[in-house]
Parts: sequence; structure tokens; C-alpha cells
Amino acid sequence: QKEVEQNSGPLSVPEGAIASLNCTYSDRGSQSFFWYRQYSGKSPELIMSIYSNGDKEDGRFTAQLNKASQYVSLLIRDSQPSDSATYLCAVSYSGGYNKLIFGAGTRLAVHP
Amino acid sequence: DAGVIQSPRHEVTEMGQEVTLRCKPISGHNSLFWYRQTMMRGLELLIYFNNNVPIDDSGMPEDRFSAKMPNASFSTLKIQPSEPRDSAVYFCASSLNLATDTQYFGPGTRLTVL
Repeated sequence: QKEVEQNSGPLSVPEGAIASLNCTYSDRGSQSFFWYRQYSGKSPELIMSIYSNGDKEDGRFTAQLNKASQYVSLLIRDSQPSDSATYLCAVSYSGGYNKLIFGAGTRLAVHP
Repeated sequence: DAGVIQSPRHEVTEMGQEVTLRCKPISGHNSLFWYRQTMMRGLELLIYFNNNVPIDDSGMPEDRFSAKMPNASFSTLKIQPSEPRDSAVYFCASSLNLATDTQYFGPGTRLTVL
């Protein structure tokens, strides 16, 4: 059973701080990694994708990937109350076309 | 551009009744995915299609669940008979094709089985 593990949180950070969200996965053949944001009562929304080892930056978001350690992270700089949501890590399953395995999500709370 | 469209948005039914959930993928997208989300089990992939053909239905929980995609712009997920443990939010997602990983989610259908 391929797994994606995330700390369920809640992760509480003050406004303006850096939020660090982590994810580990078990499928060594995975090639694609995604972070989705899900507000309460809403659908998951893609915010970042990463395919190569290292960092990928997009605005206030930075995704980090280390395939050797089977580890993906998401950093949110200058956190805002509007960033409060559940963040889902998704990893492509090497045995199936375009099949994603989702973690349970980390709930982030940014307080003013 | 319209995103993934799902209907109904909310469904309340009684145990034993048939439930049909509907999905219209993004125009031009060839892959369609059905997920179920609960607090206990998180987001689970039920089945996915490519070019209207089911590719992997290993996530379908049991024979009470069935899914069809009669054409490129429409898919249904049917539960017959429904049970209280089927209560969840059901999401449909689409992607350009099987070589493209990015999936775009619809708003979901919140199903409550009494």
C-alpha cells in the first residue's frame, strides 16, 4: 500500500511568519508531487507542483523536494490569515497513469 | 472558462435509495477522476477514466458503487443501494490526459444518507 504521510496539525503560526508543511511518501518510483490547498467546505485547489529535486518558488510559496529522503515540503512566507486552510500533499503513483495518492492533510491556522 | 461541474451540490437520501452523482469535466480534458472525502479516510480515489474508458476502479469500495462515462463531457457515479456509511463529499476531477498530472477538482457533492 503506497502511502503519503502528513502531520494533521493544526499548525498555528502568527501572521507574517513562515509556515512549514511537511510530507513523506513511500513510493520510490513517484515522479510528480503536488500541494493542494483546501478551504473548509471547498474543493482542493492546486497551488504548487514539483518534479525535480530542489526548490521551486512561486510568489510566497516554495516547494522543496528530496527524492532520496522521500520528502516534500511547502514553505509559506509572510503567512496571512487567508492562508488558513488544510494543505494536502499528493504524490503520483508509479504503478498507474496519472494516479495521485493524497495525504490526509495538514491544517494550518494563521492568527493575526 | 468553466471548471469541472458537479451536480447536485447536496444530496440527502434515505438508506436503501439509489443515488446518482453527475460530473462534467473541463472541455478538452480526456481524463476524469472520482474521489470520496471523509474525515476518517481523507481523500480516496474511487475510479478514473481516460477517453471515456475506465482505467482503474480498484478504489471502488464495493459492488454497490458503479461509474460510467458515456461521452467525453459527462460521467455518473451511482450508489445502489445507499448506506449511511456512504455519507461523504464526492469530488470529480479532470486532467488534460494521462500524461499530465495536474488534476482540477469540481466543487463536490455532499452526500448524506440517513
